[in-house]
Amino acid sequence: DAGVTQSPTHLIKTRGQQVTLRCSPKSGHDTVSWYQQALGQGPQFIFQYYEEEERQRGNFPDRFSGHQFPNYSSELNVNALLLGDSALYLCASTMTGLSAFFGQGTRLTVV
Amino acid sequence: GIQVEQSPPDLILQEGANSTLRCNFSDSVNNLQWFHQNPWGQLINLFYIPSGTKQNGRLSATTVATERYSLLYISSSQTTDSGVYFCAVDASNTGKLIFGQGTTLQVKP
Repeated sequence: DAGVTQSPTHLIKTRGQQVTLRCSPKSGHDTVSWYQQALGQGPQFIFQYYEEEERQRGNFPDRFSGHQFPNYSSELNVNALLLGDSALYLCASTMTGLSAFFGQGTRLTVV
Repeated sequence: GIQVEQSPPDLILQEGANSTLRCNFSDSVNNLQWFHQNPWGQLINLFYIPSGTKQNGRLSATTVATERYSLLYISSSQTTDSGVYFCAVDASNTGKLIFGQGTTLQVKP
């Protein structure tokens, strides 16, 4: 079992660009959630995907969007990048009511 | 929404010492997890503990759901225990986790 895998591990983008981050969930998990962690803070919930639909969303602008594929893998897209989007982006997978497992994260730097 | 508060924010220990980390939450929860974030950023699962007590080696955790708090105990601390410890709760049983601000632990040799 490979656990939750994320790609890429590091990324540098310029303000105004768009970025796509990818996540493969733990085997047997059908729900994927994305979190943003700013330096020195706890992770903040962005949104969650289940059965290829966005099931719930945190307090993030529409520039943040996502997708879930039939194999349960997921993408996080961020448009019109701002300097403030620089953060560690974490993906978590779970089955309802059970433990969430996290990937190693993607560290995004916007310059 | 639900609030999660962790204390202390920072903790410095000598190797071999014991410690207790606390997590208070403001409403009923369906799920509570403790994580250790390693220096590379990955969140490592420590405990899934919506109520009761669990132990895993030198670590143990207790959640008193009726009083809305959880405790993480670390005994005989080692330098490899250093890092940030997060408590996270799920109030809706949907997998949406609300995190505390974390406790940063430094264990000195």
